[in-house]
Amino acid sequence: AQKVTQAQTEISVVEKEDVTLDCVYETRDTTYYLFWYKQPPSGELVFLIRRNSFDEQNEISGRYSWNFQKSTSSFNFTITASQVVDSAVYFCALSEADRGSTLGRLYFGRGTQLTVWP
Amino acid sequence: DAGITQSPRHKVTETGTPVTLRCHQTENHRYMYWYRQDPGHGLRLIHYSYGVKDTDKGEVSDGYSVSRSKTEDFLLTLESATSSQTSVYFCAISEYTSGQETQYFGPGTRLLVL
Repeated sequence: AQKVTQAQTEISVVEKEDVTLDCVYETRDTTYYLFWYKQPPSGELVFLIRRNSFDEQNEISGRYSWNFQKSTSSFNFTITASQVVDSAVYFCALSEADRGSTLGRLYFGRGTQLTVWP
Repeated sequence: DAGITQSPRHKVTETGTPVTLRCHQTENHRYMYWYRQDPGHGLRLIHYSYGVKDTDKGEVSDGYSVSRSKTEDFLLTLESATSSQTSVYFCAISEYTSGQETQYFGPGTRLLVL
């Protein structure tokens, strides 16, 4: 079973529109960690945010914001006033604690391709 | 930049040949990971290492082996490459930032098995 589901395969918006990328996760652990990564057309993976399961406070960083809701097992990502440079594949990922590390392996969703048109 | 390099960055090989990919890090990170990325699958863990000579399997480890004889290098070997192993391979390390641990990724290696 997929631990992380990103139901939106592709999203297209016009510049300056707001866009929300959905992420739903599944875990039985009480302690876990959620991540978002960005993969621009150049191919590298860029870390955006980490959220711990015991911290449900939402976060805002410039035009980016994240909404974490344990009740619905969701960790959604919103880009406000999108720009062409936001065009990329965005991955949501889940980590359950493993061995001595607080992190362990990452389980990725299949990604959402966001295209922002000028 | 977590100081991760991967080599080669691109490789074309033939079915049945052995292939070794190298991940090199310069910041003494204990944990290292190999993932593969395929269309429609996101990234999936192949193997990981939690110290020198300490490795374990991930969810798609069949057909792959790894070795870590020193902290800075984590090698991924395809003993006999198959076309299904055509993929983009990413190495990652775990790093503590502001007291929190996060995985950072290398630039990736594109492997084509003909």
